[in-house]
Formats: sequence, C-alpha cells, structure tokens
Amino acid sequence: SAVISQKPSRDICQRGTSLTIQCQVDSQVTMMFWYRQQPGQSLTLIATANQGSEATYESGFVIDKFPISRPNLTFSTLTVSNMSPEDSSIYLCSVDSSSYNEQFFGPGTRLTVL
Amino acid sequence: GEDVEQSLFLSVREGDSSVINCTYTDSSSTYLYWYKQEPGAGLQLLTYIFSNMDMKQDQRLTVLLNKKDKHLSLRIADTQTGDSAIYFCAAGDSSNTGKLIFGQGTTLQVKP
Repeated sequence: SAVISQKPSRDICQRGTSLTIQCQVDSQVTMMFWYRQQPGQSLTLIATANQGSEATYESGFVIDKFPISRPNLTFSTLTVSNMSPEDSSIYLCSVDSSSYNEQFFGPGTRLTVL
Repeated sequence: GEDVEQSLFLSVREGDSSVINCTYTDSSSTYLYWYKQEPGAGLQLLTYIFSNMDMKQDQRLTVLLNKKDKHLSLRIADTQTGDSAIYFCAAGDSSNTGKLIFGQGTTLQVKP
C-alpha cells in the first residue's frame, strides 16, 4: 500500500485568506485525487490531479477557488482560495494503485475558517 | 450519475456480528469498497470487491455483493469495541477514471 502524508494536519485561518495543502506519496502514482469532507458529511471529489496537465474538476468546483498543482508523480498541492467559513472541512488526498482497484487516502487536513 | 446510500447508524454488543448495508445505482461500477474512519483520522481501506464476485472474505470481514439488487454488505464477525467507527461504502466510477462515489457513512457503535 502507498504511504501518504499531508501538511498541515490542521489549521485555523481567517476569512479571505488562502491555504495550500500538500500531499506527498512514498511511490510514483499516476492519479491523485482531492476530496472534501464537510462536518458530519461524506466525501465529495473536488478534482483529479494529473501530472503534466491541468486538473480535472468535478461539478461545483472551479480552478479559481481550488487551484491544484501536480509537479511530479509523488506530490500534489491543493489551495483553498479566498476562504469563507463554509470552506471549513477536512481535505483529503488519495492515490490509486496502477490498476485502480485499491485507492488509499492520506490522513487529511482539518481546516477551520473563522 | 452514481448514487450510493447507507443507513446512518448501527449499534451492536461486543462479540456480536455487525452487518452494514449499502445500495448503489450504477450497475456498471467495476469495484466496490469499504473504508473505515475513526474519530479524527483519515480513511482506512478495509476491503474491496470486484463486480463479478459474489463474496469476499478477509479474516473477520465478509463482503457480500448482490449485483442484481445493487446491494453490498459488510459483515464484521465478533465485533470489538475497537471496531467503533464510521464505515463508508464507495463505488468506483464506471468510466474507470479512478473516481470514487461515497455513501453517507454508517456509524457503528459497539457496546461492551
């Protein structure tokens, strides 16, 4: 299984600021995904991070609000821009195995926006 | 699009079996997954099943898949207090992009 780390593990931010979350994997992976888990809710996919190309965003999520970088096969960042209290959530990155039949998650970044 | 549904809460006594149920709508989902989330933690992949299988067993965990009814279940034998967590069912996107569609999660409470 892949070992995934995220930084920061948690943060408290002020309204209107931005936060960049890092996701590091211990092996090269093709696909990386960013999910959001709002308080007491399930997980919703924000975007798929592709190495060497633009991220693919799901309906309801836009690049201006959640810019993503994927500079290599082991690393990705998600920025939450111009934050509001509604952005308070856990943000999780995940990676797939080469055959898509196993997908592993990082520990998550718990974000609180005041 | 795919929709995944779970019951929200299950309470069992320690030593009993737990059965967590899940239904999904897209019959072409290739893989179906069970994840466990403990308080304050990320998601732990428990097991998954390929859509051409009916059953998969892994130690105390048994996954049953009824593809006709689009029903998935996770049975935990000899449930322990350490099994208390939220359990998420997820369906792999049928277009095989690696995307997962999650259910709402079932909170399992294990009473001593």
